Formats: sequence, structure tokens, C-alpha cells
Amino acid sequence: EDKVVQSPLSLVVHEGDTVTLNCSYEVTNFRSLLWYKQEKKAPTFLFMLTSSGIEKKSGRLSSILDKKELFSILNITATQTGDSAVYLCAYDDDMRFGAGTRLTVKP
Amino acid sequence: DAGVIQSPRHEVTEMGQEVTLRCKPISGHNSLFWYRQTMMRGLELLIYFNNNVPIDDSGMPEDRFSAKMPNASFSTLKIQPSEPRDSAVYFCASRPSGRDTQYFGPGTRLTVL
Repeated sequence: EDKVVQSPLSLVVHEGDTVTLNCSYEVTNFRSLLWYKQEKKAPTFLFMLTSSGIEKKSGRLSSILDKKELFSILNITATQTGDSAVYLCAYDDDMRFGAGTRLTVKP
Repeated sequence: DAGVIQSPRHEVTEMGQEVTLRCKPISGHNSLFWYRQTMMRGLELLIYFNNNVPIDDSGMPEDRFSAKMPNASFSTLKIQPSEPRDSAVYFCASRPSGRDTQYFGPGTRLTVL
């Protein structure tokens, strides 16, 4: 059965820290992997990754995919309290999500 | 663009009652997804449609749940009879053809007493 596993499940850091969130997958028909951020409401799209080794960046957030090792990481540098959220990854075949990583950034 | 529209936004009902949740996807999107989110189980895919046809309903918990998509602009998720353990936030999302970015609706918070 296809699955997506995220780690850690929970993370608490202080403002200014850098964090790395992990997403590993075991899927039979991989096309792309997606990252979302969920605060109090619906998930919002961050990145879509299809090619191995190519980094996607948006401000302090970046993500990269390793198709050989079947994982992706999401990096957030110089974290701010507004980064506190649940970060979700999903593979695009049927859009099943991992359990998410709950990030808390303390002032 | 109004985005994905869901109604109602909040629903409180009593155990045993029928509940119908509604979703209008973004115009032109040909894939539609229903999710359920709880603290315990996270974001679970219930069912998804491509071109109004159900593709994978393996996430539908049991026969009490049913989903329809009679046309490209409307879908329903029905629970009959509802139970307290169905209490959750139900999200609808749509995705355009040929692209993988998925757009979520605001969700319906269901409470079954």
C-alpha cells in the first residue's frame, strides 16, 4: 500500500532557528510530491516537486526531492512565530497526505 | 475566482440524523477530493473524482458515507445515519486538469451530538 511518512511529528523551536522537516514516501506511480502549510484553516499550497535534486525556494522556505532515496525535505530558515503551523506532504497520484509535522516557533 | 466553496461552514446535528455536505469546485477543475480531518487521524482522503467519476473510494469509512458528483460543478458527501465519531472538519478540494496543485475549500465543521 502506498504511504507517506513525515517526521518529526512535532517540533518546538525558537525564533531565528532553522528547521528541517522530512517526508518519505513509498508509492508505485510517483509523479510529484507536494508540500502544504496548515494553520487554523484549510491547507495552503507551498511547493510541488517533480525532479530530483532541484530545489524550490520561496523566501525563507525551500524544498528538495531525492527520488533515489524516496524522500523530500522542507527547510525553513530564520523561523518566525508566523511559521507555526502543521506542514503536510502528499504525493500527487491520489493526494493522500502524511500525518504532518506540527511546528511551534516560540518568541 | 471564488475558490472552492463549501456549505454549510458549520453543522451541529444529533446522532442518527442525515447530514449532507456540499462542495462547488473551482470552475474548470476536473478532479475533486473529499477529506476528513481530526486530531487523532489527521487529514484522511475519503474519495476522489475525475471528470465526475469516482476513482478511489477506499477511504470512505463505511456504508453510512456516500458521495456523489452529478456534474462538474457540484458534489455532495452524505452521512446517514450520523454518529458522534463522525465529528470532524470535512474539506473539499479541487485540482485542474494536467496540473497537480490542489486547492482546498474552507471546510465544514461537523459536530454530531
